[in-house]
Amino acid sequence: KQEVTQIPAALSVPEGENLVLNCSFTDSAIYNLQWFRQDPGKGLTSLLLIQSSQREQTSGRLNASLDKSSGRSTLYIAASQPGDSATYLCAVSGATNKLIFGTGTLLAVQP
Amino acid sequence: NAGVMQNPRHLVRRRGQEARLRCSPMKGHSHVYWYRQLPEEGLKFMVYLQKENIIDESGMPKERFSAEFPKEGPSILRIQQVVRGDSAAYFCASSPDRSNTEAFFGQGTRLTVV
Repeated sequence: KQEVTQIPAALSVPEGENLVLNCSFTDSAIYNLQWFRQDPGKGLTSLLLIQSSQREQTSGRLNASLDKSSGRSTLYIAASQPGDSATYLCAVSGATNKLIFGTGTLLAVQP
Repeated sequence: NAGVMQNPRHLVRRRGQEARLRCSPMKGHSHVYWYRQLPEEGLKFMVYLQKENIIDESGMPKERFSAEFPKEGPSILRIQQVVRGDSAAYFCASSPDRSNTEAFFGQGTRLTVV
């Protein structure tokens, strides 16, 4: 049974810092890994999708890497801003796009 | 191209009533997924539907919950005889294909059972 874990559960950093969020999964037979952002009381915004054949994806200040064999992904956020404060979720999918979500990392960027 | 639309955004029901949650997928998407986020818990898969078919309902509670995605109209998640423990945020996602594509989420329906 696939299990997804995210470390740390919460993180507080001063504005401008670079930071890394970690995601691990127990079954390496995944099709995709997706990173999301969730603001309080809101829906999920897709940040990056990494297909299983890819090693990383970049979008602006965000970079996500995938090491399928070790069951790990990292989300790197450069030059963090207060507007980055949110809960970050990673999720893996198999053959049917059904997503298994991690526990989330609550990020607070202090101005 | 509008995103995934869910309504209502907020729904209050008394114990024992029925709740109907609606999800209109993105244009061109024929695959719909429902997820539930209980308070202080993570998102959990409930059901995967394609037009007129339930593909995977392994995450659906055995009783009181049902889902459909008719040929015309939105997907419906129906909860009969709601209980306090059904209070949660229910999210819908859609994708254009069965696998290997990005899932797009709606804003969710927040159900409160009083």
